[in-house]
Amino acid sequence: GENVEQHPSTLSVQEGDSAVIKCTYSDSASNYFPWYKQELGKRPQLIIDIRSNVGEKKDQRIAVTLNKTAKHFSLHITETQPEDSAVYFCAASRRGAQKLVFGQGTRLTINP
Amino acid sequence: DGGITQSPKYLFRKEGQNVTLSCEQNLNHDAMYWYRQDPGQGLRLIYYSQIVNDFQKGDIAEGYSVSREKKESFPLTVTSAQKNPTAFYLCASSLRGSADTQYFGPGTRLTVL
Repeated sequence: GENVEQHPSTLSVQEGDSAVIKCTYSDSASNYFPWYKQELGKRPQLIIDIRSNVGEKKDQRIAVTLNKTAKHFSLHITETQPEDSAVYFCAASRRGAQKLVFGQGTRLTINP
Repeated sequence: DGGITQSPKYLFRKEGQNVTLSCEQNLNHDAMYWYRQDPGQGLRLIYYSQIVNDFQKGDIAEGYSVSREKKESFPLTVTSAQKNPTAFYLCASSLRGSADTQYFGPGTRLTVL
């Protein structure tokens, strides 16, 4: 079955700097890769996702890149702000799979 | 997100009691999921259902049970067989399956007294 590894587990950056979180997956058939943001005590919310027919997707300060050959994908947050502080989860799945497999999460702290 | 509701928000249970957590969605989604989250940890899949009257065990199903009698509803029962049930429980739904976007409910925080 699919296995998703996420690194780092914690990340601290200065406000205004960029943050990068990386995930690797094991199933070469996976073709859907969402990223979720979870604030303390709240539900996870989808912030961006990518499918395997594209290599990069951007939405304002957030971007996701996908390397199918190496089987890894990354979340990039530029010009970080205090409200970006949260736990971020990556995940992977494919059409026909019965479940979405999540990474272990990254706690991102933005220092003012 | 607003189309998925969970109740109650907080639940307290005495040891030995069964409790049922509610999850309802009005998104017309076929697939529904239950996850457990422990403090500072990730999401672990308890049960999932891709169609009415059918459901499958996830990675940590022991001590839990579910039903899917209606498309909109997927209640989770935490039984007395679950030895350490204190956790944050999240319900989610997606249009057809795991390759579609999953939307989460607000969660139920269960505490065993």
